[in-house]
Amino acid sequence: GAGVSQSPRYKVAKRGQDVALRCDPISGHVSLFWYQQALGQGPEFLTYFQNEAQLDKSGLPSDRFFAERPEGSVSTLKIQRTQQEDSAVYLCASSSHRDTTTEAFFGQGTRLTVV
Amino acid sequence: AQSVTQLGSHVSVSEGALVLLRCNYSSSVPPYLFWYVQYPNQGLQLLLKYTSAATLVKGINGFEAEFKKSETSFHLTKPSAHMSDAAEYFCAVSEILGGGFKTIFGAGTRLFVKA
Repeated sequence: GAGVSQSPRYKVAKRGQDVALRCDPISGHVSLFWYQQALGQGPEFLTYFQNEAQLDKSGLPSDRFFAERPEGSVSTLKIQRTQQEDSAVYLCASSSHRDTTTEAFFGQGTRLTVV
Repeated sequence: AQSVTQLGSHVSVSEGALVLLRCNYSSSVPPYLFWYVQYPNQGLQLLLKYTSAATLVKGINGFEAEFKKSETSFHLTKPSAHMSDAAEYFCAVSEILGGGFKTIFGAGTRLFVKA
């Protein structure tokens, strides 16, 4: 596609509910990243995929969070038993290369509000 | 681990005035540095990047940044602010992971432009 697409744009979940956030990266992009951006903060790294392999998940805040990219394209970030502190914008980004000099292209994010 | 520090969470300038947004990095290896801009309810957009080719980097929308190793700085400047420059700006550095990389963001600086 023309850009990174995320859905839904907005999600309101009741505390304890499970949610799934979707990311469609730019076609052919090898690298995919998930970030969490709390209000007034910079994006915080959650996890990184290279094709279908999850190479780093050190930023996932708890075992309630997990992400997958089974076919090396679309990715889903799942949050189980949501808590109020999970409220944030979740950003997905993709990149065409494996090296550090290549910028990542970001989607518009999914704003999750847990009530 | 690599990191960036943005000095000043808010900067206010008058339209037509110089814009200066400060960023200092911490890195044990030659860094790859980026500036991203985020408009309200939007994802992040790359302004410019430093990849060791030239210390003065020109980006989009009239912005530029100078890499100063002696000061471990990568400040963002624009000679004349425009109302449309009002946004959140993030300095970032790439950190190598095993088999890939991730981008580490600063906390951001919100730029206000007064008429």
